[in-house]
Amino acid sequence: DAGVIQSPRHEVTEMGQEVTLRCKPISGHNSLFWYRQTMMRGLELLIYFNNNVPIDDSGMPEDRFSAKMPNASFSTLKIQPSEPRDSAVYFCASSPLSGGRTDTQYFGPGTRLTVL
Amino acid sequence: GQNIDQPTEMTATEGAIVQINCTYQTSGFNGLFWYQQHAGEAPTFLSYNVLDGLEEKGRFSSFLSRSKGYSYLLLKELQMKDSASYLCAVRVYGQNFVFGPGTRLSVLP
Repeated sequence: DAGVIQSPRHEVTEMGQEVTLRCKPISGHNSLFWYRQTMMRGLELLIYFNNNVPIDDSGMPEDRFSAKMPNASFSTLKIQPSEPRDSAVYFCASSPLSGGRTDTQYFGPGTRLTVL
Repeated sequence: GQNIDQPTEMTATEGAIVQINCTYQTSGFNGLFWYQQHAGEAPTFLSYNVLDGLEEKGRFSSFLSRSKGYSYLLLKELQMKDSASYLCAVRVYGQNFVFGPGTRLSVLP
């Protein structure tokens, strides 16, 4: 299996521009998570989906952030307009939600976003 | 609110044993996870505890005391490749995870 795939791996943009981050979860996994990681705040859960349905978006910082999961194999995280304080590494993770003992998450390689 | 505490940094010698502590105060509890994250890479799963006690997995063990809101990760026979950040995470409800700030471990020769 290829694991969780994220694109782009690096993104540099200017303040005010729209940014779209993409994620392909592991095939067969039912849950998908978006995280943001910074030195100051660590790893923060932004939103997660179960079976393509958003379950908890309480971590989404503000209305500039939106996430969609149109099907089981694709999700996007959009920031519009972007601001310098959005600079961070954004991770996507997926989990089988099989009711198994751990249902651990498998993380993608991350997208390093820099907003100038 | 949710609060998870870990030491910021630790240093140990190759071949030694190190214990990384994690204390938590969360609104719910449905399991505690430990992840390893090398610099510039994604977190990878190490261990999981939901009941009190010790879980052993090769060189790594994790302990949980729910009444004390306390866990630790024990790494034995340290190797240079164990130099990384170690993240404690609590699944508070559903699939909602709260991560600690991470402990950066440096293993010296």
